Amino acid sequence: AQKVTQAQTEISVVEKEDVTLDCVYETRDTTYYLFWYKQPPSGELVFLIRRNSFDEQNEISGRYSWNFQKSTSSFNFTITASQVVDSAVYFCALSEAGASGAGSYQLTFGKGTKLSVIP
Amino acid sequence: DAGVTQSPTHLIKTRGQQVTLRCSPKSGHDTVSWYQQALGQGPQFIFQYYEEEERQRGNFPDRFSGHQFPNYSSELNVNALLLGDSALYLCASSLDLIGESEGYTFGSGTRLTVV
Repeated sequence: AQKVTQAQTEISVVEKEDVTLDCVYETRDTTYYLFWYKQPPSGELVFLIRRNSFDEQNEISGRYSWNFQKSTSSFNFTITASQVVDSAVYFCALSEAGASGAGSYQLTFGKGTKLSVIP
Repeated sequence: DAGVTQSPTHLIKTRGQQVTLRCSPKSGHDTVSWYQQALGQGPQFIFQYYEEEERQRGNFPDRFSGHQFPNYSSELNVNALLLGDSALYLCASSLDLIGESEGYTFGSGTRLTVV
């Protein structure tokens, strides 16, 4: 069975600080996808990144970076120089590769980490 | 390009009633999935529709049912509502194509309150 654990329930940082959100996953599949989503108060889940299990390269996108380590089953997310607009709930999610295409997978989400960036 | 649209945005129902939630997928997407998000929790997969058929189902009772129309839009129906059904219901659309880069696009959800 798939499982995603986000041990940090809430984090508060002062603006311009760096912050890392942790994600640990469990799966018996060798092919899977990992995601990060941002959920602002409006409720919509905003896609941030998708990683497949064969691509362990770390990725940087502006102030965001992701560290994927299969050896520890972790997919951590770092925000550099945090801003007030980064305040939201962040979800890590996992899916198996779908049999009929990339869009056929179901996502298993963690419980989320609420990030508050204080001005 | 419109994203995923859901209606209504908020809904209050009484225990035992039935409810229908609606979803229009992002243009070009052919697969619709529904998720239930209880307060303070991560979304949980309900089911997925593709080619007007339920393709996958999560651990939800038969009170939860759905439908997909030829234009790819979808409905989620919940019968015999319980207080525990109060949640944010999220619709997500995707393109069933190997190599599609983003996966799901989510709507803003329908907030259902059962009293």
